Amino acid sequence: EAGVAQSPRYKIIEKRQSVAFWCNPISGHATLYWYQQILGQGPKLLIQFQNNGVVDDSQLPKDRFSAERLKGVDSTLKIQPAKLEDSAVYLCASSPFSAYEQYFGPGTRLTVT
Amino acid sequence: QKEVEQNSGPLSVPEGAIASLNCTYSDRGSQSFFWYRQYSGKSPELIMFIYSNGDKEDGRFTAQLNKASQYVSLLIRDSQPSDSATYLCAHFSGTYKYIFGTGTRLKVLA
Repeated sequence: EAGVAQSPRYKIIEKRQSVAFWCNPISGHATLYWYQQILGQGPKLLIQFQNNGVVDDSQLPKDRFSAERLKGVDSTLKIQPAKLEDSAVYLCASSPFSAYEQYFGPGTRLTVT
Repeated sequence: QKEVEQNSGPLSVPEGAIASLNCTYSDRGSQSFFWYRQYSGKSPELIMFIYSNGDKEDGRFTAQLNKASQYVSLLIRDSQPSDSATYLCAHFSGTYKYIFGTGTRLKVLA
């Protein structure tokens, strides 16, 4: 069974530029999560999808971050414009259902200069 | 009060010893509990999950849940240097949110 795929693995941009991350979850997993993990901290949930609907986006900075999961499969997370404090690893995870264990992709390390 | 609290460590144990990692949570409605291991520069990987009070064993790992006291722990028996990592506690809360702690860094000394 293929795991969660993410791309790109690394991205360096200047502040005020835009960036997009892509995630393809494990086949059949209804729930998809995007997390932001700053060095030395635990993952912080940005947004949770159940199929193609948003379950929780309470911690998503909606003035600059957006995410979509069209067709209930893969998902994109966008930052526009980026700030220095957005430098972090962006993790995508999926699970069969929202209360179950999650499986993480390799993450995208974003550096904003 | 943080929703999930973990001692950041580092917790240092000698090789072959038992490592004990603890986590407390504030939401009495929490339904399920998870332990993830995260090596430096890698993404978290699931080690254990536990839904009911008591102990759950899987190989060298034992998860313990006490809902009355609102804590969950992870015991690692016969600790190996390869167990050196950050261990993240997470739970699915009564408000239907998946919440992670900040993690405990474990060092197993050879």
